[in-house]
Amino acid sequence: NAGVMQNPRHLVRRRGQEARLRCSPMKGHSHVYWYRQLPEEGLKFMVYLQKENIIDESGMPKERFSAEFPKEGPSILRIQQVVRGDSAAYFCASSPRTKDSRGTGELFFGEGSRLTVL
Amino acid sequence: DQQVKQNSPSLSVQEGRISILNCDYTNSMFDYFLWYKKYPAEGPTFLISISSIKDKNEDGRFTVFLNKSAKHLSLHIVPSQPGDSAVYFCAASPKLTFGTGTRLQVTL
Repeated sequence: NAGVMQNPRHLVRRRGQEARLRCSPMKGHSHVYWYRQLPEEGLKFMVYLQKENIIDESGMPKERFSAEFPKEGPSILRIQQVVRGDSAAYFCASSPRTKDSRGTGELFFGEGSRLTVL
Repeated sequence: DQQVKQNSPSLSVQEGRISILNCDYTNSMFDYFLWYKKYPAEGPTFLISISSIKDKNEDGRFTVFLNKSAKHLSLHIVPSQPGDSAVYFCAASPKLTFGTGTRLQVTL
């Protein structure tokens, strides 16, 4: 019974390169959430997706960041032209229910992907 | 704008004693509160939650108290065990807004 799988666990990029972070939700879960944790800060909501739909992207920076959750395959968080300030841990979480499940705490987190921008 | 605040970045407690972790919030629209626990190099795991219609929820050694008038909640762990050493995040819904976390160290 695999949990939420994120890869890569660690990613190093130079400024200006692209970073792609992948998330496979738990089996049977069709809702994915991405959070970012900057050093010395809490987890900040970025985006909430269902299969083929972005439900809430109010936490996503307006530029360079995008997310998708295709019908087949993992969810992808894409950061274009990375800058040093993008260095952070990016956590993916999944849930089996609707958006309201965020109110019940039934989010299952992956182990995170740590992005370092040189 | 930090709507969920954990003002103590760290806490050290002796094994067997009570650990009290505090959390304050500013948004009166929050209606559900959660605590997550996080070990290094792992994702957060859900610990306990409380609805805004309650003032207390207990699960084994863990109890969460909610004071709506003060916009304050706390997590009590008793007795504390070394395995409880982790970072604890308070979160509030809707939108699951997280605090900055409190690092709990339970010493022998």
